[in-house]
Amino acid sequence: QKEVEQDPGPLSVPEGAIVSLNCTYSNSAFQYFMWYRQYSRKGPELLMYTYSSGNKEDGRFTAQVDKSSKYISLFIRDSQPSDSATYLCAMMRSGSEKLVFGKGTKLTVNP
Amino acid sequence: DGGITQSPKYLFRKEGQNVTLSCEQNLNHDAMYWYRQDPGQGLRLIYYSQIVNDFQKGDIAEGYSVSREKKESFPLTVTSAQKNPTAFYLCASSGQFYNEQFFGPGTRLTVL
Repeated sequence: QKEVEQDPGPLSVPEGAIVSLNCTYSNSAFQYFMWYRQYSRKGPELLMYTYSSGNKEDGRFTAQVDKSSKYISLFIRDSQPSDSATYLCAMMRSGSEKLVFGKGTKLTVNP
Repeated sequence: DGGITQSPKYLFRKEGQNVTLSCEQNLNHDAMYWYRQDPGQGLRLIYYSQIVNDFQKGDIAEGYSVSREKKESFPLTVTSAQKNPTAFYLCASSGQFYNEQFFGPGTRLTVL
């Protein structure tokens, strides 16, 4: 079983829709949970991160972590065509220097 | 402007040749990383360095080498021993919080 699983999609939604992106993981030692956005042929950019369980909100983006289910989510409200990108989840154990990435979900928001 | 630069953006190499990818950062970050990304795949860690003159192998170090002689620079050499080097290579750096990694624009390497 891979440490981090992420459905590659592709996911296509109309503008204004609420988008839900998800990852599951198997390593209960993960404490840091990150979401990166990667536009085509560009480097990833860090959107937000959460430490341990709970929710975090930043504008139209909300990150949720459910450690009991080993499941993390990123919600995008009022999605825009500019949100079209690949979204990568990443995780890290406390005391580690290394991130473990999911394969990414490709999202297209249609005008 | 603070950030990470990678050069070149596109690189073509003949089989059997070594090639060096450049990564420079002016963020004053101690830690630097090299990842490889293949189509439909997540990022896989090649090498990382937490301090000058020290580096560690990542998950797929075979066929690659690095050096860290300066804080700002972390070049990656793809050697002829790397069996399948065609990929998108990403360099990243982080400060004291290793989970907050900042990425460069990437170098796309194609072996002809």
